[in-house]
Parts: sequence; structure tokens; C-alpha cells
Amino acid sequence: GENVEQHPSTLSVQEGDSAVIKCTYSDSASNYFPWYKQELGKGPQLIIDIRSNVGEKKDQRIAVTLNKTAKHFSLHITETQPEDSAVYFCAASSSGTYKYIFGTGTRLKVLA
Amino acid sequence: EAGVVQSPRYKIIEKKQPVAFWCNPISGHNTLYWYLQNLGQGPELLIRYENEEAVDDSQLPKDRFSAERLKGVDSTLKIQPAELGDSAVYLCASSLQGKAYEQYFGPGTRLTVT
Repeated sequence: GENVEQHPSTLSVQEGDSAVIKCTYSDSASNYFPWYKQELGKGPQLIIDIRSNVGEKKDQRIAVTLNKTAKHFSLHITETQPEDSAVYFCAASSSGTYKYIFGTGTRLKVLA
Repeated sequence: EAGVVQSPRYKIIEKKQPVAFWCNPISGHNTLYWYLQNLGQGPELLIRYENEEAVDDSQLPKDRFSAERLKGVDSTLKIQPAELGDSAVYLCASSLQGKAYEQYFGPGTRLTVT
């Protein structure tokens, strides 16, 4: 079945360093890839997304890249801050569907 | 604009007891979703509503789970009877009809079954 693998499961970085989280999807029909940030006791919050007709998208310190051939997409956070500490989920879905297949999450810890 | 509201935030019950969760979506959002999130996992869809109609409940364990959205706004998810394995966070999300790619999540209800 459809599957999204996410790595690493935990990531610790020093404040100011960059963090990279990687996902791989299995369904070649997937064409929409959102990233969610979930803080403790809160629901997931959409932070950035990318569609299959774009290879990269950037929003301030956050960027996402997509390699459709390899079925890989990645989240890049630069100049990390303690408030970036949270669990990050990637997801994949196909146009015209509402079904997100989520990755298993990455717990990011930014050390001050 | 108010976000998705869920209550209660936490619930502890004994196994075999019933439990219900309530969700109020963002105003104007026709589509409502219930997700199950197990510890250390991503959310998994249980059911999706378009207005008051459940258009996909294929992942809902119908022997013990039920849901309703009678007036196409608020929704209730019920478990009866609860089992130990139901301990999880139950998330509600909503989106504008036709914009399923912009789903907004509520804070969730953390259920503990003892």
C-alpha cells in the first residue's frame, strides 16, 4: 500500500545550525507534499507545502525540496531557534484526493 | 479567526466504558475529518464528512466507533465500548470544500483507557 518513510526519527542540533528531515513516498501518483509541525499538546500545524510541478519552495528559514524521480522530498530549516523544537511530519497525497499519508515524524530538538 | 475546537482535551476512562469527543470546525469549512494519532506516529484518517454526509468511513472500526455530523457543522466521535488499544490522540481537522490540501487541525483529545 501507500507508504511514506521519514528520517531521522530524532534530531538534535545546536541553535543556529541547519536541520534536514527527509521523506520518501511510494505512490507515484502523489503530487502534493505538506509538512506539519506539532508542538507538545497541540495539533499539527501546516508550515510549508510543495506541489509536484515545483522542485523547491522557500519561506524565510524553511525550505522544501522535491525529487519526483527518486520520490524524495526534504524539509530544510536554517538558523534554527529553540522555538523550532517540535515534532515534524511529512505527508503525501494525490490531486483530487483528501487522503494524506503521513510519515512517522521527526522529533527536532534545538539546543540553546 | 478561531481555529478548530475540540473537547475534552483529555479523557481517562476504564475499558468497556463509552466515550465521546466533540469537534467544532473552522467557520465555513464544509469538510471535516477525524484522525487517530498513536504515540510516535503520524495521524491516520478515520472518517471524512462533506457537510453532513460521511463520504469516507472505510477506516472507521464500525463495531465500536461511530460518528455523526447532524447539521453539517459540529461533529461527535464515539467509542463504545472502549478498549485498552484505543488509547491515543483523536484529532479533528477541517478544510474548505474542494481544498482538501489545506487541512487545519484542532489540538486533539488525548484518550487514556485503563
